[in-house]
Amino acid sequence: GENVEQHPSTLSVQEGDSAVIKCTYSDSASNYFPWYKQELGKRPQLIIDIRSNVGEKKDQRIAVTLNKTAKHFSLHITETQPEDSAVYFCAASKGNYGQNFVFGPGTRLSVLP
Amino acid sequence: SQTIHQWPATLVQPVGSPLSLECTVEGTSNPNLYWYRQAAGRGLQLLFYSVGIGQISSEVPQNLSASRPQDRQFILSSKKLLLSDSGFYLCAWAERWLQPNTEAFFGQGTRLTVV
Repeated sequence: GENVEQHPSTLSVQEGDSAVIKCTYSDSASNYFPWYKQELGKRPQLIIDIRSNVGEKKDQRIAVTLNKTAKHFSLHITETQPEDSAVYFCAASKGNYGQNFVFGPGTRLSVLP
Repeated sequence: SQTIHQWPATLVQPVGSPLSLECTVEGTSNPNLYWYRQAAGRGLQLLFYSVGIGQISSEVPQNLSASRPQDRQFILSSKKLLLSDSGFYLCAWAERWLQPNTEAFFGQGTRLTVV
């Protein structure tokens, strides 16, 4: 089955700096890659996603890039703010109705004021 | 709009006792449904997913089971809880489309402590 790895497990940045989180996946049939943000004690919520027919997607301060050949994708957060502090999860999924989301182990991001 | 309800929010159960967590989805039909477990400070482990009534796929062997008695109802059960079953359990749903894939929406979660 699919295996998703995520690095780093923890990341501390100064407010205003950029943060990059990287994920790799194993199943070349995966075609949908969402990123979720989970604040302490709360449910994960989608922040951005990318499909396999796209190489890059941007939404304000966050962007995601996908390299299908290398089977890796990355989350980029620019101009980080304290409210960006949370655990971030990447996931890989493939369709055909039996959509199965496999998550990475998560990255705990701390933005220091 | 679609909503997902999961209950209870917190639960403390003794070792060896049974478990039943319920999740329901409103505002959609034929959703894919998922149960995830999150141990303290850890990632999201997929336990079960379902693409239809009575159809359950298990991702990891364990003493948990899942059932989908109705289209928008997903139940996580155990006959005898273990200490290692403690964690944060999340139900999620996603639309069933061939293309494009869509995001998974999570319930509020149940924090289970087995004592």
